[in-house]
Amino acid sequence: GAVVSQHPSRVICKSGTSVKIECRSLDFQATTMFWYRQFPKQSLMLMATSNEGSKATYEQGVEKDKFLINHASLTLSTLTVTSAHPEDSSFYICSASPGFLRYGYTFGSGTRLTVV
Amino acid sequence: AQSVTQPDIHITVSEGASLELRCNYSYGATPYLFWYVQSPGQGLQLLLKYFSGDTLVQGIKGFEAEFKRSQSSFNLRKPSVHWSDAAEYFCAARGSQGNLIFGKGTKLSVKP
Repeated sequence: GAVVSQHPSRVICKSGTSVKIECRSLDFQATTMFWYRQFPKQSLMLMATSNEGSKATYEQGVEKDKFLINHASLTLSTLTVTSAHPEDSSFYICSASPGFLRYGYTFGSGTRLTVV
Repeated sequence: AQSVTQPDIHITVSEGASLELRCNYSYGATPYLFWYVQSPGQGLQLLLKYFSGDTLVQGIKGFEAEFKRSQSSFNLRKPSVHWSDAAEYFCAARGSQGNLIFGKGTKLSVKP
């Protein structure tokens, strides 16, 4: 149980285009999901907190107009990288919890984005 | 601000040897602490977590960690390392917003 599915696992796109990444909780409902970004050989940095039915909360320095987050249902959050640039190339990972005290957090398998 | 520190960037151990990965946290109240493992290009797998109670926590794959409040530490240990344990290990603490705050990670290499 407590599976988070993330798609796609790998995507290559051209500069200026947009890319959508999906994060689904398969066997539980998630009112909150977290989106992280990981640069090569570095740690994970929180980008934003996705809240079902309301606006996402972005961390300082994260452009909300570039990284659009939609959490339209209790099992799906999407991150859209708009007008992608090469510097947006990174590893993006989502996370959710089916019940923090019992399960902690579950992570998706991540999405490797390469902007060319 | 809350922070998690992993002092060792890269550790190499021989297969069969014991392992200890260090983690220190900065947080006033009782922290929620985690250890995750990440293989290249993959997501994160939870090894173990500490919320309260017994300060020695058992996890998967033979790992354990000990919470020491006096030292603000949550070090990860394994008595005998296997080649398949080579990966990146992240210590994390729950932040005030419910997110995780990660250390910079420790890369573990295992010598045959």
